[in-house]
Amino acid sequence: GDKVKQSPSALSLQEGTNSALRCNFSIAATTVQWFLQNPRGSLMNLFYLVPGTKENGRLKSAFDSKESYSTLHIRDAQLEDSGTYFCAAEADTGYQNFYFGKGTSLTVIP
Amino acid sequence: ETAVFQTPNYHVTQVGNEVSFNCKQTLGHDTMYWYKQDSKKLLKIMFSYNNKQLIVNETVPRRFSPQSSDKAHLNLRIKSVEPEDSAVYLCASSFSYEQYFGPGTRLTVL
Repeated sequence: GDKVKQSPSALSLQEGTNSALRCNFSIAATTVQWFLQNPRGSLMNLFYLVPGTKENGRLKSAFDSKESYSTLHIRDAQLEDSGTYFCAAEADTGYQNFYFGKGTSLTVIP
Repeated sequence: ETAVFQTPNYHVTQVGNEVSFNCKQTLGHDTMYWYKQDSKKLLKIMFSYNNKQLIVNETVPRRFSPQSSDKAHLNLRIKSVEPEDSAVYLCASSFSYEQYFGPGTRLTVL
């Protein structure tokens, strides 16, 4: 089965509203990263997390290694937030082995 | 400008041909990676290289081989391409597991 499950798979948001994306892990994740892939295909690094929370502007992310999940909160969604959001977990194998979720496709509508 | 650079952007070839993709990072990172993103946007790690040592190889077919001349370069060679190799190949680099991606090379195998 999938080692990293992302939800929802797709989401439409009205501009100015808030939402949350989630990743559940079936592996012992030690770190989590969140990326945004824009329509041109470029992957932009949003957050790199050890267990805890980080905030950057309208984005906030949390990683709970004990409960094996991570969330990404988007506040006051803007049109440029549209794209596919991926989370990636680093497995506790002693090697740099990353597992990606299948992504959440976000569309922000005016 | 410090970033991860990939060439070519696109490549179209026929089954059985050999192809080579280049990746260079000017971020001073010590680890580089190759990922494959399929048509469903699924991202899978193929290789990671740290100080010229292969760390992870995720059951990648033998026709794929990474080639590194120094820690700033990691190329990907495919000896004899197959139709299922059509995908976007993304190069990334990291220093402390926080990854930064290049723009990708889209391969189409006819």
